[in-house]
Amino acid sequence: QSVLTQPPSVSGAPGQRVTISCTGSSSNIGADYDVHWYQQLPGTAPKLLIYGNNNRPSGVPDRFSGSKSGTSASLAITGLQAEDEADYCCQSYDSSLRVVFGGGTKLTVL
Amino acid sequence: QLQLQESGPGLVKPSETLSLTCSVSGGSITGGSYYWVWVRQPPGKGLEWIGSIYYSGGSYYNPSLKSRVTISVDMSKNQFSLKLSSVTAADTAVYYCARGLGIRGHLDYWGQGTLVPVSS
Repeated sequence: QSVLTQPPSVSGAPGQRVTISCTGSSSNIGADYDVHWYQQLPGTAPKLLIYGNNNRPSGVPDRFSGSKSGTSASLAITGLQAEDEADYCCQSYDSSLRVVFGGGTKLTVL
Repeated sequence: QLQLQESGPGLVKPSETLSLTCSVSGGSITGGSYYWVWVRQPPGKGLEWIGSIYYSGGSYYNPSLKSRVTISVDMSKNQFSLKLSSVTAADTAVYYCARGLGIRGHLDYWGQGTLVPVSS
């Protein structure tokens, strides 16, 4: 069981907006630790998508955005494209002195 | 451009020790406030943090693996390594090395990953 909870799957049609939630607790996200997001295409290593809750690394389209509130965080993708079909995973830090990940969410573009 | 590359045996037998090395190129392992991290992903499952180390030696391990894990740095070779002892089939996974911004921060560079099956 992952410390951070994500929905196993989400889907959307091209051009639509989808959101992926990441739910933690008072010992991680709720303790004001940052949330980061990764995109993982099939058979490849994770790629940093959002860091520090809502910052995009150079080269990541502004269709991707992150937010955080209380013990949860969300990743939003607007203008959905076929190339966005991938697994998405959130990461934070826990007061038990460990890095924690979500279980991952598979995004399907219909 | 920083690059990380995992290397090690492709198969480990149960009860033996899994050993992997991550070679860092395009930058120094001693530069900046970076931690060097091992993460694994069992087939079809999510990511699991194994541990992180700073070049000067400070290390942190996942409590669920701590009794079996050792991460070390070799500054002369610009490498860091993972040893996981007493492996079982549950340790079968793709093992990634990565660079982290601080112990709590994001992982901005990743190796391509290496699949390590545990099987007799």
